[in-house]
Amino acid sequence: GAVVSQHPSWVICKSGTSVKIECRSLDFQATTMFWYRQFPKQSLMLMATSNEGSKATYEQGVEKDKFLINHASLTLSTLTVTSAHPEDSSFYICSAHRDLRGDTQYFGPGTRLTVL
Amino acid sequence: GQQLNQSPQSMFIQEGEDVSMNCTSSSIFNTWLWYKQDPGEGPVLLIALYKAGELTSNGRLTAQFGITRKDSFLNISASIPSDVGIYFCAGQRGQGGSEKLVFGKGTKLTVNP
Repeated sequence: GAVVSQHPSWVICKSGTSVKIECRSLDFQATTMFWYRQFPKQSLMLMATSNEGSKATYEQGVEKDKFLINHASLTLSTLTVTSAHPEDSSFYICSAHRDLRGDTQYFGPGTRLTVL
Repeated sequence: GQQLNQSPQSMFIQEGEDVSMNCTSSSIFNTWLWYKQDPGEGPVLLIALYKAGELTSNGRLTAQFGITRKDSFLNISASIPSDVGIYFCAGQRGQGGSEKLVFGKGTKLTVNP
């Protein structure tokens, strides 16, 4: 149990376009999900905390108007990279906290975004 | 954003050797977690620690939560080729899983057969 999926697994887009990445908890409910960005040979950096039914909380330095997060249900959060530029190329990973007391976060397999 | 101090940055070992890596912080964390990440994939949880002083094992892996709550280490015994990957420590201020994680910079492990 506790499987998190991401779609797509990779995407290539042109500069200036928008890209939507989905994060789904397949077999559990997740009130809270997290979005991370990981550049090559670097660690995971938290971008935002996504809460079902409310606005996301963004980390310092992350543009909320550029990285739109929607957590419309207890099993789905989406990250939309708007007007993407080459510097947005990265590995985007989500995690979901299972709504069980004392449980931990479970990570998705990641989405590789390449902006040309 | 904040990151934990993780060392060593990389390790090259022979199959069968033991490995040790550690993570330190200038502030207290009440939960310490260790993850392994293979190339192109998301992190996979190896061990979670919730009490200061706690020593927990998962097969050949053993991790400890430091008494000061500012550090943790991970040991891998009798390494095998499939142990290759990047190991990350992560800390949480509280013990609720819904709190955000702070990650270390990772330790890249290479195991020579």
